[in-house]
Amino acid sequence: ETGVTQSPTHLIKTRGQQVTLRCSSQSGHNTVSWYQQALGQGPQFIFQYYREEENGRGNFPPRFSGLQFPNYSSELNVNALELDDSALYLCASSPTENYGYTFGSGTRLTVV
Amino acid sequence: GQQVMQIPQYQHVQEGEDFTTYCNSSTTLSNIQWYKQRPGGHPVFLIQLVKSGEVKKQKRLTFQFGEAKKNSSLHITATQTTDVGTYFCHGNQFYFGTGTSLTVIP
Repeated sequence: ETGVTQSPTHLIKTRGQQVTLRCSSQSGHNTVSWYQQALGQGPQFIFQYYREEENGRGNFPPRFSGLQFPNYSSELNVNALELDDSALYLCASSPTENYGYTFGSGTRLTVV
Repeated sequence: GQQVMQIPQYQHVQEGEDFTTYCNSSTTLSNIQWYKQRPGGHPVFLIQLVKSGEVKKQKRLTFQFGEAKKNSSLHITATQTTDVGTYFCHGNQFYFGTGTSLTVIP
């Protein structure tokens, strides 16, 4: 098992820019979810992909978008970055929709 | 979106004391998962409960799922400093609870 790998680990962007975060799911996992975690807060659900289709979406604006690829890796894109987007972005994969998630170590995004 | 509340928000205990966190949902849950997040780390999956009234144990940790499948609890017996972290429940596929931050005083 290779676990869940996220890249980059840290990123600094300027307000208004766009960012792409990447996630390599654990082998055999076809479900991936993305979460935003602000400092001192719990993870907030952004969206989930199951076999390349969006399977659920949380209360985030359309400038947050994602993709899941045939090899089940995925990416999170955020356009028009705002200061409040500064957070830890967590990717989590699972072998099915209703099973425990394996989390990556996250990407720490800072918007200045 | 759905809200899954946890109480207490914070808990400080002396090492060796017991600890319990409670998770309450406004809707019936198909399953509930528990995660632990150490300071500076990422959530780590502990367990999943599926059946009404289910009880599972992992060493000093006991997990319960309510009969109505709307609440759950995690109980730690005789806490150790390694138990420090935030404990989250996760219900209905997408949403985390608000979390309980546990501090263990040596």
